[in-house]
Amino acid sequence: AQKVTQAQTEISVVEKEDVTLDCVYETRDTTYYLFWYKQPPSGELVFLIRRNSFDEQNEISGRYSWNFQKSTSSFNFTITASQVVDSAVYFCALEVYNFNKFYFGSGTKLNVKP
Amino acid sequence: DGGITQSPKYLFRKEGQNVTLSCEQNLNHDAMYWYRQDPGQGLRLIYYSQIVNDFQKGDIAEGYSVSREKKESFPLTVTSAQKNPTAFYLCASRPLAGEDNEQFFGPGTRLTVL
Repeated sequence: AQKVTQAQTEISVVEKEDVTLDCVYETRDTTYYLFWYKQPPSGELVFLIRRNSFDEQNEISGRYSWNFQKSTSSFNFTITASQVVDSAVYFCALEVYNFNKFYFGSGTKLNVKP
Repeated sequence: DGGITQSPKYLFRKEGQNVTLSCEQNLNHDAMYWYRQDPGQGLRLIYYSQIVNDFQKGDIAEGYSVSREKKESFPLTVTSAQKNPTAFYLCASRPLAGEDNEQFFGPGTRLTVL
């Protein structure tokens, strides 16, 4: 069975602080994809990153970085120097190869205060 | 511009009525999905379709029906059998071939039962 756990329901930080959003996944399959999406107050989910199970290289994109560790089944997301515009709900998702279904975590609501 | 459109943005329904939510995509994607999101919760899969004239039940299909007569369109009908239909509904699509296999989401429809 597949499962994604985002244990942090809500996080509040002050602008310019760094914040890490945790994502732990479960799957017995060896080929899978992991995703992060951002859902701003408008409601539409915005794709942030995709990582396949054979690529454990960490990725940095501007203020965003992702840490993928198969040993701990985690795919954590860090925002450096957070900004008010980062306030949103962030979802982690898992897809097993060729299964064509995404398993979403329950999301982490990030509040960035000025 | 390519993308996914959902209409209407807001929908109000009286108890006992069926309503249909529209989802159209011009991305030439093979697969389409319907999700339900309740306040403070993650996304739950209702139905998905990988090809025209074929679709599969997701985790919470009871009280819902879909059709896939055209590749571009995947309407969702919320029937009177759905006991608690008030929620935010998101439609998504994705290609089934190639490396860019993330799901693209529409802006959502917020359904309220009066």
